[in-house]
Amino acid sequence: GEDVEQSLFLSVREGDSSVINCTYTDSSSTYLYWYKQEPGAGLQLLTYIFSNMDMKQDQRLTVLLNKKDKHLSLRIADTQTGDSAIYFCAERQMNSGGYQKVTFGIGTKLQVIP
Amino acid sequence: KAGVTQTPRYLIKTRGQQVTLSCSPISGHRSVSWYQQTPGQGLQFLFEYFSETQRNKGNFPGRFSGRQFSNSRSEMNVSTLELGDSALYLCASSLAGANTDTQYFGPGTRLTVL
Repeated sequence: GEDVEQSLFLSVREGDSSVINCTYTDSSSTYLYWYKQEPGAGLQLLTYIFSNMDMKQDQRLTVLLNKKDKHLSLRIADTQTGDSAIYFCAERQMNSGGYQKVTFGIGTKLQVIP
Repeated sequence: KAGVTQTPRYLIKTRGQQVTLSCSPISGHRSVSWYQQTPGQGLQFLFEYFSETQRNKGNFPGRFSGRQFSNSRSEMNVSTLELGDSALYLCASSLAGANTDTQYFGPGTRLTVL
């Protein structure tokens, strides 16, 4: 299977941490990504993690990967109102031809309450 | 470097018409992928072009087609438009390296079919 699943909605208070979760099904995934989409805009790459890593930290963002459970999470520390957006999890797989294919989750809408 | 650009940003068409969307990738990027984004279905992969050849295709009818030119610019065409084709169409470019092929997205073309 190639499904990527995310919860649809998350609401947090400004200053708190946000944790957005994602599960995927393809064990052949090479890279996993988090993208951010603000209203009316395209997708902005936030961060990515290679499938042989467990964790990656980039300023306020921490990505955790549990390969055994096929679970990926994005933690945003000190969440700000500017973080309000839709966050997409995506996995990259190599197809039988050796080429890339990326499958996206449906997106989690993060609402930050001032 | 300039980012991925898409033209036009907005389009309004009527059922039965056809439409062509354009995408200019980041300079040096040879891979262009197209996605359809709708509220109900999320982000769905249409196809990917690399060096003027289609090398991946999603599960869309033949009314959706594309091409890539020698300068890596890509066009997507939808014929015999249906109401359900109303969506945000996103284009993403990447270098097309073997294992580190991060995608960068354009702002999208918002297509409305009346």
